[in-house]
Amino acid sequence: QKEVEQNSGPLSVPEGAIASLNCTYSDRGSQSFFWYRQYSGKSPELIMFIYSNGDKEDGRFTAQLNKASQYVSLLIRDSQPSDSATYLCAVNRNTGGFKTIFGAGTRLFVKA
Amino acid sequence: NAGVTQTPKFQVLKTGQSMTLQCAQDMNHNSMYWYRQDPGMGLRLIYYSASEGTTDKGEVPNGYNVSRLNKREFSLRLESAAPSQTSVYFCASSDQGSAKVEQYFGPGTRLTVT
Repeated sequence: QKEVEQNSGPLSVPEGAIASLNCTYSDRGSQSFFWYRQYSGKSPELIMFIYSNGDKEDGRFTAQLNKASQYVSLLIRDSQPSDSATYLCAVNRNTGGFKTIFGAGTRLFVKA
Repeated sequence: NAGVTQTPKFQVLKTGQSMTLQCAQDMNHNSMYWYRQDPGMGLRLIYYSASEGTTDKGEVPNGYNVSRLNKREFSLRLESAAPSQTSVYFCASSDQGSAKVEQYFGPGTRLTVT
């Protein structure tokens, strides 16, 4: 079992729809959770982080965390073609060095 | 601020050759990281440096060595390149002290080993 699992996709949604990206993790000691966006040929950039159970909203993005279920998700409202990218889920835990584990990423396509 | 810079951007090596990937950050971050990214595998941690003077192995350290030259610079060395090391390499940095902090990534180095 991978430590951080994501559906590789591709996930295809029409412009204006809600895109829902999911991630599960195996280590209950995980402390904080990140969503990075990576455009093709570019480096990852942080779009959301969350460390408490519940929802966190930032503009069109909402991160949801459920530590009991070991599940974190990212919702993108009013999806735009510019949202087309790979979304990486990352999980931090303190193992004597703040180790970050990344999922393999979910490719999202937003159709105009 | 340039953020995190990496050199070179592209490199082609023959099997058995050696090279060093350079990384520097100007954000006064304590922690620095080297990742490799392969199709379908996400980012895998090679080595990291929690602070100046310390380095630790990550998930896939075999075949690599690192040097934390000073607070700004963290280099990755391939002593004898193998085709399995063909990948995109990213350097990242973060402000240590909390597990909540984000990592800032450099533009990446595309390495091909033939």
